[in-house]
Amino acid sequence: DIVMTQSPLSLPVTLGQPASISCRSSQSLVHSDGNTYLHWFQQRPGQSPRRLIYKVSNRDSGVPDRFSGSGSGTDFTLKISRVEAEDVGVYYCMQGTHGWTFGQGTKVEIK
Amino acid sequence: EVQLLESGGGFVQPGGSLRLSCAASGFTFSNYAMTWVRQAPGKGLEWVSAISESGGRTFYADSVRGRFTISRDISKSTLFLQMNSLRAEDTAVYYCAKGGSYDFGDNWGQGTLVTVSS
Repeated sequence: DIVMTQSPLSLPVTLGQPASISCRSSQSLVHSDGNTYLHWFQQRPGQSPRRLIYKVSNRDSGVPDRFSGSGSGTDFTLKISRVEAEDVGVYYCMQGTHGWTFGQGTKVEIK
Repeated sequence: EVQLLESGGGFVQPGGSLRLSCAASGFTFSNYAMTWVRQAPGKGLEWVSAISESGGRTFYADSVRGRFTISRDISKSTLFLQMNSLRAEDTAVYYCAKGGSYDFGDNWGQGTLVTVSS
């Protein structure tokens, strides 16, 4: 089974400063069709998850451009260029190349 | 506008059963795989089950295989999760989400809480 490992698990950030979350998979997420099915989700307190990024680096509609995804193979990163108060919540990576596996989640909070 | 509305959660004793429903609207239901994800209190997201567009293929997490059954009624645009032999560790908010693994998760429901306790 694929294991998805996020770091850090807790990320205190200062408003207006950048933030970065790492996600590593136990094996390559490159599918035989050439795509890499690595997605990022945000879950604000008390809300359902919301997808931010699909297939590594594609922002979903309505997602602010301060969110960006990058990476390849087994190493992926979600970056927030300037953290805003509404970005507080838990962020999850998820692989869809070999079934479905979520990372443990990274809690983003304001310092 | 895509909407996913779960229902059927509640309180059940260990060993009991529940059937969750997810009513979908705003998209062509038969064109998309569908997925159930759960979240235990204070914990992270856990994939539970998925079903192909036609319903011909189903997938389960090891933790629920043999106890849970996913199905869909395309005529009613509704997704189901039949949960039998429930255990305390099945206590969670259950979300339905649009998509399979490749196109997963651009829309989620609001979730329905299942509590398994004696």
